Amino acid sequence: DTQMTQSPSSLSASVGDRVTITCRASQSISSYLNWYQQKPGKAPKILIYAASTLQSGVPSRFSGSGSGTDFTLTISSLQPEDFATYYCQQSYSAPTFGQGTRLEI
Amino acid sequence: EVQLVESGGGLVQPGGSLRLSCAASGFSFSNYWMHWVRQVPGKGLEWVSRINPDGSRTKYADSVMGRFTISRDIAKNTLYLQMNSLGDEDTAVYYCARYALDKRTGLYYYYMDVWGKGTTVAVSS
Repeated sequence: DTQMTQSPSSLSASVGDRVTITCRASQSISSYLNWYQQKPGKAPKILIYAASTLQSGVPSRFSGSGSGTDFTLTISSLQPEDFATYYCQQSYSAPTFGQGTRLEI
Repeated sequence: EVQLVESGGGLVQPGGSLRLSCAASGFSFSNYWMHWVRQVPGKGLEWVSRINPDGSRTKYADSVMGRFTISRDIAKNTLYLQMNSLGDEDTAVYYCARYALDKRTGLYYYYMDVWGKGTTVAVSS
């Protein structure tokens, strides 16, 4: 199984900040990496797939990069609605998720 | 509107069984891989199981292998998860999710683009 490790586990930031979350795979997964946002009591929402493709309707302040084993999710200028938990997920094999990064004020 | 609606959750005693359902609408259910993902309250997401479009291929997480069975009824546009021998560790919110596909020059990128709101399973005596 491919293990996914996110860092940091939690992150404090302010509106307007630039934030980066990293995700590392235990083996190479090419660009088969997705990012999700989850707010309390809600289902996850896809933000980025194939490492860097923005899902339709997702604001352009979200971006993704990386390939192989190391990936990043960047939010260029935090908005109040971005405070949530973020998960990476590999789709190279049977899906596995990172442990999540809680983004808080 | 594209929608997934889970049902069938509830309180069950350890060792008991439960069958979850996920009703799909607004899209061609028979064209998509489907997944079950669960989340212990306050914890992260855990992939549980997947099934291919025609229901002939399935896969499970090690934690549920031999106890859970995923299936689908194309005529009813419904995904199922039969859960047997339930233990405390199975207490969670269970989500069904659609696996969308982006095909690019021979490469197949899958991602979970539609999720249900979840159904809660509580295992307790």
